[in-house]
Amino acid sequence: GDSVTQMEGPVTLSEEACLTINCTYTATGYPSLFWYVQYPGEGLQLLLKATKADDKGSNKGFEATYRKETTSFHLEKGSVQVSDSAVYFCALYSGGGADGLTFGKGTHLIIQP
Amino acid sequence: EAQVTQNPRYLITVTGKKLTVTCSQNMNHEYMSWYRQDPGLGLRQIYYSMNVEVTDKGDVPEGYKVSRKEKRNFPLILESPSPNQTSLYFCASSPPTSDGEQFFGPGTRLTVL
Repeated sequence: GDSVTQMEGPVTLSEEACLTINCTYTATGYPSLFWYVQYPGEGLQLLLKATKADDKGSNKGFEATYRKETTSFHLEKGSVQVSDSAVYFCALYSGGGADGLTFGKGTHLIIQP
Repeated sequence: EAQVTQNPRYLITVTGKKLTVTCSQNMNHEYMSWYRQDPGLGLRQIYYSMNVEVTDKGDVPEGYKVSRKEKRNFPLILESPSPNQTSLYFCASSPPTSDGEQFFGPGTRLTVL
């Protein structure tokens, strides 16, 4: 079945540091890939997505590129802020209508001033 | 404003006392789903619904029921809650032409004593 593997953390960085959160997946076919973010005490918000190989999703300074050859969708940001502290979930959708999203376990990111 | 709403947001109850968590969306989405979020496990799908009167089990359906009598509503029912159902619950919806992106509610934190 489908699965998503991501580093779990917590990941602690200083403000303005570079961020990479690794995400790899196993899926049949050509899934859509997502990064969702959960700020403290809130629900999940879509951060970015990519629906086909080599697509790059971007939002709020974050980027991720759909790499089919390495089955990866790593999340990157050049300079993090304290307000980026949150839990980040990588997820995939294989299609077919009936299936929901398959999520990774989440990465807790802590940014220190 | 397009949104998914859940009620209640917080609930503390006792073992065996039936409860219902409501979910409503105003986007005319056909697909709706329930997830639970547990530390170290990420989000796991409980039940989903492709349309009115069409529901099916997700990955962790034991101990839960759902119904879909109207397109906008998708309540989650725990007929005899147990402590292992203490969790954070999310409702989500998506349109039929979706690339898999789902829109999430704010979450319901349930504690079963």
